[in-house]
This record gives sequence, C-alpha cells and structure tokens, in this order.
Amino acid sequence: EVQLVESGGGLVQPGGSLRLSCVASGFTFSDSAMTWLRQAPGKGPEWVSFISASSGTTFYAESAKGRFTISRDNSKNSLYLQMNSLRAEDTAIYYCATPRDVPNVFDYWGQGTLVAVSS
Amino acid sequence: EVVVTQSPVTLSVSPGEGATLFCRASQSVSSNFAWYQQKPGRAPRLLIYGASTGAPGVPARFSGSGSGTEFTLTISSLQSEDFAIYYCQQYNSWPLTFGGGTKVEIK
Repeated sequence: EVQLVESGGGLVQPGGSLRLSCVASGFTFSDSAMTWLRQAPGKGPEWVSFISASSGTTFYAESAKGRFTISRDNSKNSLYLQMNSLRAEDTAIYYCATPRDVPNVFDYWGQGTLVAVSS
Repeated sequence: EVVVTQSPVTLSVSPGEGATLFCRASQSVSSNFAWYQQKPGRAPRLLIYGASTGAPGVPARFSGSGSGTEFTLTISSLQSEDFAIYYCQQYNSWPLTFGGGTKVEIK
C-alpha cells in the first residue's frame, strides 16, 4: 500500500522559515517523481513544486520561486520542501503527491500538513 | 499559464439524479486533463485522467469527456458518498493548474 506522510507544518511568523518532510512507503521512491501541492482554506489545490526521481529536474510555481527549495533523499525515501520568507498567503495545507504511472496525474496524496503564517 | 475555469460553482442534486460538471481551459490542453473528488478534511482523490479514463477503483457512474479546451465530468446517479467538491486539473504544460471547484450538494 502506498503511503505518504507529511510533517513539519506549524504556525510561523511572516518572514520565517519551515522545512516540510514527506516520508514515502509502498512503492519504489527512487524511481518516482514527486510533487508538492498546497490548498489554502476554501480554495482549490495549487501546484507548488516538482522534483524528478534523480533530483536532476526541479520546477517551481511562480509563487514559490526564490523562496522555496524542493529536495529529496532517496536513501531515506524522503521528500522535503524548505520554505523561507514565508508570507500570509502561504497559509495552506501542504500535500506531497505522486503519480501511479501517468506523469503529473496524482493518484497518491499524503494527508497533508498545515502551515499557518501569522503574526 | 493555462487558466482552468469550473462551472457551476455549486450544483444542487437529489440522490439518484445525474449531474454534469464543466471545465474550460484557457488554451488547448489536448486530453491531458484530470478530475478529482475531495471530501472535508481529506486529500483529493483521483477520479478521471486522460480526460476520459477512470482511475482504478472508481465507480462506473463517473465518466469524463472532452478534449482541447472543454471538458465534462458526468455522475450518472448520485449516491450519498458522491456529495463532495470536484476539481479539474490540466497537466499539459507547466505550471500545472487546477480549477476552483464545483461543490455538489444535496438538494
């Protein structure tokens, strides 16, 4: 069974930093591209960042460029999102997700971790 | 960026009735289009990909159609567990984008 478990969310002041983690199991993590998405309260999902299986390719949403960094450690089956210079509009539930076989179609999602940016 | 617009925002349906949800993309995304269902407090669940292919385990009452810029999700006979929010997504180009959602509520 595929499992994705996020952690690292919390309450942070504007301008602060957080590092989210996602631990994967039930599939060959080192063969799988991974994605971070987020969902603000009452809004639809928003794609945040993508990383290829080998870490050779990364993409970021405009809202994340220059502030967020996606990375992974295949030896630990873990995905990360380093978030700096956080803003109120970054408040959301953050999900890690991965496809079953069609790129960028998200069959598997974690339960999410809540990031709240507020003073 | 491809903007995805969903309609209607809310759809009131009686159990057992059918429902049709719409999405429009601001430019052609071919058939690189997916639909998700989300219930309160849960992550989205993939229903349809490739515009019309059902994801594993999805009941046959869910069907998708369309290509290019116009897409439809049809639920043939709503069951109690189908009342939820539905989102569409294009994966034809970066950035990946989602629609704002259609809430299907009990009439």
